[in-house]
Amino acid sequence: EPEVTQTPSHQVTQMGQEVILRCVPISNHLYFYWYRQILGQKVEFLVSFYNNEISEKSEIFDDQFSVERPDGSNFTLKIRSTKLEDSAMYFCASRADRGPSYGYTFGSGTRLTVV
Amino acid sequence: TQLLEQSPQFLSIQEGENLTVYCNSSSVFSSLQWYRQEPGEGPVLLVTVVTGGEVKKLKRLTFQFGDARKDSSLHITAAQPGDTGLYLCAGLESYSGAGSYQLTFGKGTKLSVIP
Repeated sequence: EPEVTQTPSHQVTQMGQEVILRCVPISNHLYFYWYRQILGQKVEFLVSFYNNEISEKSEIFDDQFSVERPDGSNFTLKIRSTKLEDSAMYFCASRADRGPSYGYTFGSGTRLTVV
Repeated sequence: TQLLEQSPQFLSIQEGENLTVYCNSSSVFSSLQWYRQEPGEGPVLLVTVVTGGEVKKLKRLTFQFGDARKDSSLHITAAQPGDTGLYLCAGLESYSGAGSYQLTFGKGTKLSVIP
């Protein structure tokens, strides 16, 4: 079964530091996403990415966040200057197509702890 | 972003019992997706329902999409301890003009099946 791979599984960083979360989506998928889940809360949409550009982003995805797909396989989420409230599980997801019948395949997540 | 309300929030039942969890919204969705999430892991897709009134079965799990495409239910027959987990519904809504979709999650129903 194809899967979405995320690294690292855990990341501890000091407030104000930059972090890069990495994802390898399923190889023939075209649509890529980042979601986050603060402990005890629901999964929240951050950003969607298609054809090497952002297609949608939420209010959470401010100027501190950026995404890129540098080499055609990796999909990264960068947080420039982390804040305590950025502590959460970050999930990468991919989809084969954008139609309503297509489900999302999520990775196992990166647990980010900002201290 | 539209809200999805899931009920009940917590459910503890004996092995062999039947149960139903609900997912409700005041908004119409292009599709409704059900996921299961284990602690520390990403959501795993169970099913996608697209057409109003659609019913899908996955072994002992029956998923139904409301006629108006605003609500959905998950019914489990003869629950097993292996069914224990967090069940999430997620609505897929389209962004006019962008041709893309955003997945909005409910808070989930935490199911515990006692042997």
